Amino acid sequence: DARVTQTPRHKVTEMGQEVTMRCQPILGHNTVFWYRQTMMQGLELLAYFRNRAPLDDSGMPKDRFSAEMPDATLATLKIQPSEPRDSAVYFCASGLVLGGSSYNEQFFGPGTRLTVL
Amino acid sequence: AQKITQTQPGMFVQEKEAVTLDCTYDTSDQSYGLFWYKQPSSGEMIFLIYQGSYDEQNATEGRYSLNFQKARKSANLVISASQLGDSAMYFCAMREGAGRRALTFGSGTRLQVQP
Repeated sequence: DARVTQTPRHKVTEMGQEVTMRCQPILGHNTVFWYRQTMMQGLELLAYFRNRAPLDDSGMPKDRFSAEMPDATLATLKIQPSEPRDSAVYFCASGLVLGGSSYNEQFFGPGTRLTVL
Repeated sequence: AQKITQTQPGMFVQEKEAVTLDCTYDTSDQSYGLFWYKQPSSGEMIFLIYQGSYDEQNATEGRYSLNFQKARKSANLVISASQLGDSAMYFCAMREGAGRRALTFGSGTRLQVQP
């Protein structure tokens, strides 16, 4: 049963600390997305990668957020330094894009619930 | 302007009844995709159904169907024979264009199924 996995599932930290969230996409998927969900903003895209290359990170505060894919099986989202307003659920999703296919189901991981005190 | 609009913050439905969740979208692209996701209280995002802009027939997946009205730019989700387990948040989302693959989500509708 192929699934997107995310670690940690919950994280409580203090303002100013570094936070790293990890995502393992479904094996064989070539596209990875990071979304953030808050009560105020809803679900919003932070960044996405195709074949490990960042295609869009315009939704990410560049001064404190960074996203990488060290290899095809791992995506990371890092916040340094963290702030209380970063408290949210962070979802990773993966998908497979083939050629000109317009279909792109995205499989979501369980999310990381981050609380910054 | 909102790309995806879900005008119903909350909906109630009786068990075994059908319910329609509204979604309208805004795009100038000819090629786009529309998705519905379910988010139960556990927080996971569950894919329900997909409709491509060029698909001539409405998509169906079990008890879920998508009422796609292209001229009106609406993509309403219909759940037939509601079950208690259908109580959740439901999000409509859109992927625009052939090159951009990320989804833009609506604000969601909370559905509560009553026994």
